[in-house]
Amino acid sequence: QKEVEQDPGPLSVPEGAIVSLNCTYSNSAFQYFMWYRQYSRKGPELLMYTYSSGNKEDGRFTAQVDKSSKYISLFIRDSQPSDSATYLCAIQGAQKLVFGQGTRLTINP
Amino acid sequence: GAVVSQHPSWVICKSGTSVKIECRSLDFQATTMFWYRQFPKQSLMLMATSNEGSKATYEQGVEKDKFLINHASLTLSTLTVTSAHPEDSSFYICSAPVATDTQYFGPGTRLTVL
Repeated sequence: QKEVEQDPGPLSVPEGAIVSLNCTYSNSAFQYFMWYRQYSRKGPELLMYTYSSGNKEDGRFTAQVDKSSKYISLFIRDSQPSDSATYLCAIQGAQKLVFGQGTRLTINP
Repeated sequence: GAVVSQHPSWVICKSGTSVKIECRSLDFQATTMFWYRQFPKQSLMLMATSNEGSKATYEQGVEKDKFLINHASLTLSTLTVTSAHPEDSSFYICSAPVATDTQYFGPGTRLTVL
């Protein structure tokens, strides 16, 4: 079993839709939970991070963590074509990041 | 946010040659940096942890004699791919932690070995 599981997609939605991206993890010792956005041929860009169960909101983005279920989510409201990218969840323990496979998202105008 | 740079952004080399990739933290010091490799349509895989003033720590399955890491200063780590082969062609990305819970990534270096 992989430490972090993420559906690779691809996921295609119309502009303005609400997008839900999800990951599950297996190690309850993981402490920090992050979402990165990666455009083609670029390095990952940190979008959101959290360390506790619950929701964290930043503009159109909401990160949600459910430690009891070992489940994390990223919601994108009012999605824009510029949001088209690969989204990677990452979970940190002992200063090492473990990445999900990444979900390729396309927002269609 | 913190800035991490990499050089070169892309490189093409012949099989059997060595290639050096630099990773710099531009506005902060990093005693630790991380090197990842990413194949097309796949996620990032940690290769090694670069430690300033001591030897790098390699992940299981990564050949330390092939991927030489030198953390020369608090703002510079280098990855040298020795005797490169076509299967080493990949996207190499470094990162540096700013705090215990946040890592910032460089823009990546695309290596193509002919």
